[in-house]
Amino acid sequence: SAVISQKPSRDICQRGTSLTIQCQVDSQVTMMFWYRQQPGQSLTLIATANQGSEATYESGFVIDKFPISRPNLTFSTLTVSNMSPEDSSIYLCSVLWDSRSHGEAFFGQGTRLTVV
Amino acid sequence: AQSVTQLDSQVPVFEEAPVELRCNYSSSVSVYLFWYVQYPNQGLQLLLKYLSGSTLVKGINGFEAEFNKSQTSFHLRKPSVHISDTAEYFCAVSEGTSGSRLTFGEGTQLTVNP
Repeated sequence: SAVISQKPSRDICQRGTSLTIQCQVDSQVTMMFWYRQQPGQSLTLIATANQGSEATYESGFVIDKFPISRPNLTFSTLTVSNMSPEDSSIYLCSVLWDSRSHGEAFFGQGTRLTVV
Repeated sequence: AQSVTQLDSQVPVFEEAPVELRCNYSSSVSVYLFWYVQYPNQGLQLLLKYLSGSTLVKGINGFEAEFNKSQTSFHLRKPSVHISDTAEYFCAVSEGTSGSRLTFGEGTQLTVNP
């Protein structure tokens, strides 16, 4: 399997500021996703990052709060905007290699965000 | 809409004992099923998957799971656990129609004690 790198691995941010998380894959992938894992909880899909077009957001998540870019088939960013302590979570990038993967996703190491 | 229920939030066991982590799902269409493991301060790693064919699937680290369509279950088992198996385990499902979006269960914390 290819390598999925997320940066930063962790950060402590002031409320009201924004943080951009990067996800870099060392080979081209069909689909990229962003998940949130709140403390002690499971993973919730934020959005599907679409290459060259606007991301597809899940219910409860909006572009103004979580803008996403995907300029090519190996890179995506997630921005957490105007942060509050409730945004403290682990944010995970996930990829599918091709359309036949049927959800067999691979994950980055995650970005542990603490908002103070 | 699909959903996943992991019946045990925490499972403590002794080293070398067998373990079963339970997972039930609901879906109106055919599904693909997965178990992921998350070690402390790490991302998720795929343990095993069921896409089609044999209902008993074997994964890494000696784990296996059995797909039971009539009971809509996909329980994870290991005959003898090690201390290093201590981790959070997530059951996940993707539907045949979407084929890509994963829905996760709440997770089961497996703690293996000496």
